[in-house]
Amino acid sequence: AQSVTQPDIHITVSEGASLELRCNYSYGATPYLFWYVQSPGQGLQLLLKYFSGDTLVQGIKGFEAEFKRSQSSFNLRKPSVHWSDAAEYFCACNAGGTSYGKLTFGQGTILTVHP
Amino acid sequence: DTEVTQTPKHLVMGMTNKKSLKCEQHMGHRAMYWYKQKAKKPPELMFVYSYEKLSINESVPSRFSPECPNSSLLNLHLHALQPEDSALYLCASSQIDGSSGGARETQYFGPGTRLLVL
Repeated sequence: AQSVTQPDIHITVSEGASLELRCNYSYGATPYLFWYVQSPGQGLQLLLKYFSGDTLVQGIKGFEAEFKRSQSSFNLRKPSVHWSDAAEYFCACNAGGTSYGKLTFGQGTILTVHP
Repeated sequence: DTEVTQTPKHLVMGMTNKKSLKCEQHMGHRAMYWYKQKAKKPPELMFVYSYEKLSINESVPSRFSPECPNSSLLNLHLHALQPEDSALYLCASSQIDGSSGGARETQYFGPGTRLLVL
């Protein structure tokens, strides 16, 4: 069965600093990978997704993520964090097939931004 | 436009009440989803509708009753809920991509309904 691991439960960065949120997946074939962001009490907003092709994908709000098959990782990055980026971030995987319709989520990483 | 709307935003109900949550999308998506999310946890899938038919029920208690009256609307009827059902209920929708077995289907989420059961 597929699984997604976000090793960091909580990350704190200073405004203007760079950010990297880690995501590791476990799945035999090429997974379809997503990053979502959730502000407190809100729904999930899609930041970016990887299906195939270029392993560096660009998303909204200045985020990017890199798919590394050798490391089974799909880490999210941002060169300079803004206070408004404080939120919870979820990495997710969709294997399709017998798991049709089922996104497998990581446990989430809460990002705190210090001024 | 990737907007999914949900009403109401907040709902407080007693354990004997009957209420409904509503979800709407106008993106032409033919798959719609209900999720339950507890604090500090990822969303948990409850139901999936494909082409207005229930395709997945993740062993959800019968006090939750989904309904998909047309391709744009999804309801969740609530009856005799328990305090532990208090949570954020999220709706999502996606295109259906049979060529990938559903794997390429990007789900777009609504803002959620915050439910409190007293």
